[in-house]
Amino acid sequence: SYELTQPPSVSVSPGQTATITCSGGALPEQYVYWYQKKPGLAPVLIIYKDFERPSGIPERFSGSTSATAATLTISGAQAEDEADYYCHSADKRHTWYVFGGGTRLTVL
Amino acid sequence: QITLKESGPPLVKPTQTLTLTCTFSGFSLSSSGVGVGWIRQPPGKALEWLALIYWDDDKRYNPSLMHRLTITKDTSKNQVVLIMTNMEPVDTGTYFCAHTTSVFDSIMMGPINWFDPWGQGALVTVSS
Repeated sequence: SYELTQPPSVSVSPGQTATITCSGGALPEQYVYWYQKKPGLAPVLIIYKDFERPSGIPERFSGSTSATAATLTISGAQAEDEADYYCHSADKRHTWYVFGGGTRLTVL
Repeated sequence: QITLKESGPPLVKPTQTLTLTCTFSGFSLSSSGVGVGWIRQPPGKALEWLALIYWDDDKRYNPSLMHRLTITKDTSKNQVVLIMTNMEPVDTGTYFCAHTTSVFDSIMMGPINWFDPWGQGALVTVSS
């Protein structure tokens, strides 16, 4: 198994760009998915297959990858984007799954 | 529209067995590629994947917890059940079930899947 590492917290001012990274040794071999989690609510998928955006997710959310890290970018962050964000991936054969430790995004 | 809802006891005692049920609608667990997974979140901590069952009864477990977990499905009732034995206070948290579909990806040259959507979650407290 392996771990996905995220920064515990990120802070931005409204309208600024927030970037959240997710690093882990197996990332180049598998896609990364991103979820938004607000208190008391179910996690919501906001990025799949590294950079694809599900219908209904605002365009300000985007994903990208490099050799060993994935990045979630929120361009023009809004107060409503305050939440915990989790990256997620799997082993090569999808026999087990792992989530990152989560990043608390504060917009103030 | 796909919906899922978790149900189970809100309180269990240490050493007891937890049985959670995920009741879903909007899809069938007899359809090729379809699956249901369980994920939990202890208070103030990160999400943790627990188990997954596919339409063909293929089952996957978190290696660190698989000795305590059993996942089953009842296709006729549109339900998936997760059993976790020997519950401890550290198992306290919100337990989510989520829909998934396995598809072949030509870039990864293999199956891929992700969890979407999720149920609202069921809070389970382990305490004597």
